[in-house]
Amino acid sequence: AQKITQTQPGMFVQEKEAVTLDCTYDTSDQSYGLFWYKQPSSGEMIFLIYQGSYDEQNATEGRYSLNFQKARKSANLVISASQLGDSAMYFCAMREGRGGNNRKLIWGLGTSLAVNP
Amino acid sequence: DTAVSQTPKYLVTQMGNDKSIKCEQNLGHDTMYWYKQDSKKFLKIMFSYNNKELIINETVPNRFSPKSPDKAHLNLHINSLELGDSAVYFCASSHMRQTNEKLFFGSGTQLSVL
Repeated sequence: AQKITQTQPGMFVQEKEAVTLDCTYDTSDQSYGLFWYKQPSSGEMIFLIYQGSYDEQNATEGRYSLNFQKARKSANLVISASQLGDSAMYFCAMREGRGGNNRKLIWGLGTSLAVNP
Repeated sequence: DTAVSQTPKYLVTQMGNDKSIKCEQNLGHDTMYWYKQDSKKFLKIMFSYNNKELIINETVPNRFSPKSPDKAHLNLHINSLELGDSAVYFCASSHMRQTNEKLFFGSGTQLSVL
């Protein structure tokens, strides 16, 4: 079963509007971390935001915020005031707390976001 | 200063050849990774080293051999290249201490096997 699900293969948003990219996860661990990365067309992977399972507040980093709903096991990325440079692939990932040194990041399949002028 | 640098950025080669990709990080991290990203953008971990010790070795053909001469370097050697090896290979590094360790990625190596 997929541990990280990104149900939107592609999204469009108008410049200056907000957009939400969905991510749901599946884990039985109490301790875990959720990450969002951006991959523009140039190819590099850029860390955006992190949310810990015990964090009480939703994480925010500039125009990025993470809408963390633990009971629903969702960690949606919200981008406010979209810019043309936000056009990219966005990946959600999770690291579970157990496993010691073998803990891996589990990746979603990504959402391609296109910002229209 | 580039935090995680990998070379070359592009690699075009014939089937059957042997090639290497080099990776270096100057972040003082203790853990390094190799990821493969296929044409559908799916990211798959291949290997991970922590303080030069192999800790993650996914189901990868034996033709792929990682080597970590020290904490700051992790190279990937590929023997007898096949068409299916064409992909983007990313090196990454992190501090393996807590759940919130984030990965810093290199810019990727686009490998094309003809």
